[in-house]
Amino acid sequence: QSALTQPRSVSGSPGQSVTISCAGTSSDVGGYNYVSWYQHHPGKAPKLIIYDVTKRPSGVPDRFSGSKSGYTASLTISGLQAEDEAEYYCCSYAGSFTVFGTGTKVTVL
Amino acid sequence: QVQLQESGPGLVKPSQTLSLNCTVSGGSISSGSYYWTWIRQPAGKGLEWIGRIYTHGGTDYNPSLKSRVTMSVDTSKSQFSLKLSSVTAADTAVYHCARSPVGATHFFDPWGQGTLVTVSS
Repeated sequence: QSALTQPRSVSGSPGQSVTISCAGTSSDVGGYNYVSWYQHHPGKAPKLIIYDVTKRPSGVPDRFSGSKSGYTASLTISGLQAEDEAEYYCCSYAGSFTVFGTGTKVTVL
Repeated sequence: QVQLQESGPGLVKPSQTLSLNCTVSGGSISSGSYYWTWIRQPAGKGLEWIGRIYTHGGTDYNPSLKSRVTMSVDTSKSQFSLKLSSVTAADTAVYHCARSPVGATHFFDPWGQGTLVTVSS
């Protein structure tokens, strides 16, 4: 089972929007509406920011939104803030198995 | 608020068995509502799902690691454990434990902060 494909890095200025893609296959992203996204600051526990493609846990700002089309899921961060600078990982259920994305470094310019 | 904390040796010799525990606090590990999961991240690489255990029985393991992985739960200690046998340098990574809900959903929350395990002689 191969990792989901994410861009290595994206960047934006404060207030701008950035979108991170997560490409999979019919066995994972395309087969289930169970894509989640995690924000990871070095040395800290990864934090859930989106689950079940579009749902946002309590406490996560509505600047974070998720979507999916076919075999590709996306995370959009609107109104980019300095504290959003981190590594972001997508994750998909794949039938008694879980696959993560390759990770995307978001840089706030 | 549920918290998870990993513990175990930070250094393991090649060919030996890596053993880690995850202690659950602020909630019951005996709840039938959750899977208890291990995830790792080698330095400079992405996250890799190792597997999960359900307190009331049943495990699922990453096929690439299945022959070397064993997970267990000790409800009396509110802990679940990971054993990875015949380790090599490729198993050097930060190991996280996490909780995942049972049912028509799939995500990991919360996570432990992670513990670095280095495989070296």
